[in-house]
Amino acid sequence: SAVISQKPSRDICQRGTSLTIQCQVDSQVTMMFWYRQQPGQSLTLIATANQGSEATYESGFVIDKFPISRPNLTFSTLTVSNMSPEDSSIYLCSVVDGSGANVLTFGAGSRLTVL
Amino acid sequence: DQQVKQNSPSLSVQEGRISILNCDYTNSMFDYFLWYKKYPAEGPTFLISISSIKDKNEDGRFTVFLNKSAKHLSLHIVPSQPGDSAVYFCAAIANDYKLSFGAGTTVTVRA
Repeated sequence: SAVISQKPSRDICQRGTSLTIQCQVDSQVTMMFWYRQQPGQSLTLIATANQGSEATYESGFVIDKFPISRPNLTFSTLTVSNMSPEDSSIYLCSVVDGSGANVLTFGAGSRLTVL
Repeated sequence: DQQVKQNSPSLSVQEGRISILNCDYTNSMFDYFLWYKKYPAEGPTFLISISSIKDKNEDGRFTVFLNKSAKHLSLHIVPSQPGDSAVYFCAAIANDYKLSFGAGTTVTVRA
């Protein structure tokens, strides 16, 4: 299965700042997703990162707050903009695993704490 | 609106015994179900899945049961081992790769 590297693994940020999370995959993948896990809650899909076009956002998430880039089939970034304490979460990158239908492989996640 | 629900936030079981994790869903369009396991500081890893056309899938110590009429699935781990201590997420898909996750159940296996 694909190997996903996320950076940073964790960070502590000040309110009002922005942080960009990077996701690097060791193979070309068509479908890449960004999820968020708020403390004590389930994983929620933020958006689908589309290569060569704008990301597709889920209800409740907007591009101005979570801009996403997908310059090629192995790399994507998610920016959390103008952060507030409510943005403190684990952000996870995931890709469709070619070894099994409907199976997503996840990165280790980026744990953000906003003060 | 939470479409996938895991009503038990935690489960403690003795080593060698059976662990049973439950999951309920509300969306009748879901046609594929997965269980993921998550250790601290790691991403979720795929454990086992089941298609809606089946009612059981087994992989070693792990068995998933699906009751479509009740919109319920369960994961059985037999026998439970200390390395099984983790958070388990139930997830479901309807015709695309967008997973809907439950809130997770933390399993602790006691020696």
